[in-house]
Amino acid sequence: EDKVVQSPLSLVVHEGDTVTLNCSYEVTNFRSLLWYKQEKKAPTFLFMLTSSGIEKKSGRLSSILDKKELFSILNITATQTGDSAIYLCAVLSWSGGGNKLTFGTGTQLKVEL
Amino acid sequence: GAGVSQSPRYKVAKRGQDVALRCDPISGHVSLFWYQQALGQGPEFLTYFQNEAQLDKSGLPSDRFFAERPEGSVSTLKIQRTQQEDSAVYLCASSVDRVGSAETQYFGPGTRLLVL
Repeated sequence: EDKVVQSPLSLVVHEGDTVTLNCSYEVTNFRSLLWYKQEKKAPTFLFMLTSSGIEKKSGRLSSILDKKELFSILNITATQTGDSAIYLCAVLSWSGGGNKLTFGTGTQLKVEL
Repeated sequence: GAGVSQSPRYKVAKRGQDVALRCDPISGHVSLFWYQQALGQGPEFLTYFQNEAQLDKSGLPSDRFFAERPEGSVSTLKIQRTQQEDSAVYLCASSVDRVGSAETQYFGPGTRLLVL
């Protein structure tokens, strides 16, 4: 059974801190790993990672994938209160004639003033 | 439309009642997915359509859950004889998903179902 594990489960930091969120996975027929940010609504897409060792960046957020060790990290620098959310890691795999996303339980990040 | 839409946004049902949740995917998106997200958990896969064909329904928790997408666009998730454990947010997502690709899934706002 496909499995995605995120750590830590929750985190409280102060504005300006840097955080690193972890995601490890065990899936068959891996295609890509995705990071989503979920506030009170639907998950919104952050990154899709397909190749090992290539960092993706968007502003203060960056992410990298290690397909040998089966993990990814999401870094957020100079955190702001608006970064408070649940960060979901998901792995896209090929299953039953199509693509399937398996999610981790998420990391709940709270950024305080 | 601009994104995936779902209705209703909130639904309160009495235990034993049937409910129907609707998803309108992004126009032109071939693939449509349903997920169930319990409080404090990540979304869990329920079922997947490619056009009107339901290719994977391995995540449906029981035979009380049924999904359809008869014309390959709008989809309905039906839950019969709802139970309290069905209370969750039901998320729909769609993707362009050419066969063999790894397209991003875009999520709707979800339907929050509360069964009393």
